Amino acid sequence: TQLLEQSPQFLSIQEGENLTVYCNSSSVFSSLQWYRQEPGEGPVLLVTVVTGGEVKKLKRLTFQFGDARKDSSLHITAAQPGDTGLYLCAGKGNFNKFYFGSGTKLNVKP
Amino acid sequence: DSGVTQTPKHLITATGQRVTLRCSPRSGDLSVYWYQQSLDQGLQFLIQYYNGEERAKGNILERFSAQQFPDLHSELNLSSLELGDSALYFCASSVQATYNEQFFGPGTRLTVL
Repeated sequence: TQLLEQSPQFLSIQEGENLTVYCNSSSVFSSLQWYRQEPGEGPVLLVTVVTGGEVKKLKRLTFQFGDARKDSSLHITAAQPGDTGLYLCAGKGNFNKFYFGSGTKLNVKP
Repeated sequence: DSGVTQTPKHLITATGQRVTLRCSPRSGDLSVYWYQQSLDQGLQFLIQYYNGEERAKGNILERFSAQQFPDLHSELNLSSLELGDSALYFCASSVQATYNEQFFGPGTRLTVL
């Protein structure tokens, strides 16, 4: 099993603060995705990173794939209450299987 | 709205029973994935189908089975239900079998009493 560990598990911050969420593994993944999930709904894809060292930006969100394709980070600048949700990373491993991290629950207070 | 539909939205049943969850993928998507999400284990990959054929298998119990029909909709069958099977079950679809991007449905919440 290719495990993904996310940290922190919970994060409660004030509007306007910056934050970083980490996704780590000892396994190599061919690609890695980040999703956001709101209560009662399915995860929504934010980004896919494929190349080691790749950096992608989505407005105030910056995603980075580690050089060895074993880890990733998500950085949010000037967080807003609308960013509140469960952030999940998912790695695509051997035999086309997807492995999800346990998630980071983010709460941004106005 | 991702374009993936799942029915029913909620299901309450008793231990030992059998249920069927249904998923319709986005128009044009050939691949369907099933996931289980419980509070203490996060999102677990169960199984993937591509154009009617099983493509990849995850941590799916022998009591669970799935299939994808010629019209590409998929069903997940859960039998001999146990309390621990209570969870959210998500279906996702993608265009191809090896495509990176999956689009998730709204899920079915199963409660086993």
